[in-house]
Amino acid sequence: GQQLNQSPQSMFIQEGEDVSMNCTSSSIFNTWLWYKQDPGEGPVLLIALYKAGELTSNGRLTAQFGITRKDSFLNISASIPSDVGIYFCAGHNFNKFYFGSGTKLNVKP
Amino acid sequence: GAGVSQSPSNKVTEKGKDVELRCDPISGHTALYWYRQSLGQGLEFLIYFQGNSAPDKSGLPSDRFSAERTGGSVSTLTIQRTQQEDSAVYLCASSLAQRETYNEQFFGPGTRLTVL
Repeated sequence: GQQLNQSPQSMFIQEGEDVSMNCTSSSIFNTWLWYKQDPGEGPVLLIALYKAGELTSNGRLTAQFGITRKDSFLNISASIPSDVGIYFCAGHNFNKFYFGSGTKLNVKP
Repeated sequence: GAGVSQSPSNKVTEKGKDVELRCDPISGHTALYWYRQSLGQGLEFLIYFQGNSAPDKSGLPSDRFSAERTGGSVSTLTIQRTQQEDSAVYLCASSLAQRETYNEQFFGPGTRLTVL
């Protein structure tokens, strides 16, 4: 199946720092998605990207759909303690979703 | 309720026993997905339902795993003769029909399965 490579696997940062994570694939996707998962809960959608080159912001979050349709990145600016969690990228084609292995974010107050 | 619900939230079972996991999707959502999440890993696709039919079962890891959906609503994932490697969080998600255009998936809180 299609595999998404997500990096980094984990990050330890200080409150206030900016964070960047990315995802690459060997296949192209029609839609790229970024989710956040808190402990004991299911993933929640943060940002959806619909076309190549698209740059979208949601508050302190910014994500881009790569021009080749095979990659995406997520930036979080001025991190705060509640940003702690696991962030997943996902690619969507037709009726199927493919998920990265996640980036675990730790924020020190 | 407004969201996807799953039950039980936690299940501990002995190796060799059968388990049933339940998912109640958001009302009106015709698409339903089951995923498995092992500790520290991403989401592994298991099966996809559109209405009551499962056009894609390609992710089911073995014939011990099966799922059904009745009335276009509730779905049950059954694992027979559980093994220790089946221990994971099983997540359900629902959405409007997925076609070429993406429709947002909404996830339930998951069922944490532990096989002793």
